[in-house]
Amino acid sequence: DAGVTQSPTHLIKTRGQQVTLRCSPISGHKSVSWYQQVLGQGPQFIFQYYEKEERGRGNFPDRFSARQFPNYSSELNVNALLLGDSALYLCASSLASGGNEQFFGPGTRLTVL
Amino acid sequence: GQNIDQPTEMTATEGAIVQINCTYQTSGFNGLFWYQQHAGEAPTFLSYNVLDGLEEKGRFSSFLSRSKGYSYLLLKELQMKDSASYLCAVRVNTGFQKLVFGTGTRLLVSP
Repeated sequence: DAGVTQSPTHLIKTRGQQVTLRCSPISGHKSVSWYQQVLGQGPQFIFQYYEKEERGRGNFPDRFSARQFPNYSSELNVNALLLGDSALYLCASSLASGGNEQFFGPGTRLTVL
Repeated sequence: GQNIDQPTEMTATEGAIVQINCTYQTSGFNGLFWYQQHAGEAPTFLSYNVLDGLEEKGRFSSFLSRSKGYSYLLLKELQMKDSASYLCAVRVNTGFQKLVFGTGTRLLVSP
């Protein structure tokens, strides 16, 4: 069975640009959570979606937005990129909202120059 | 607020035993997870505790004391491939469930 997939793997953008990151959860999983991991830190919660609805949002500015599609895949959008947005963006899927075990995808490494 | 503390870095020798501690002050506690993360890779699930006590899984064991806000991950018979970061994460329920991570403990296993 395929695990959580994310695209692209790596991305380089300049300040002020916009970026869209994509995530496909494990088949049958209905919940997707997004995390930002800055180098040397633990992942920080950004969003959680379950059954296509936003269930929770972390302490991130409105430049960050997300959505979940009918097939449960998800997109994370970041507008007006700042240097500080450079990080590994992780997507995790689980059967239910915040389920017992969250399976992480390989992540998208975003570099903002 | 939610606060999770774990040591930044630890070193150990191949074949030895190492214990990585984690203390937390959180509201809405609903379980504690340990993840392993190799450099540049995604975290992978190691263990889950929701009740007090020890959970054993092969070379890895995890302990939880909810009254003390304390957990540890015990790694036995260390191997070189165990060199990685170990993340302590608390699942909190604040209207919905999410994981709150510590900064991670980087473990270096030497021959």
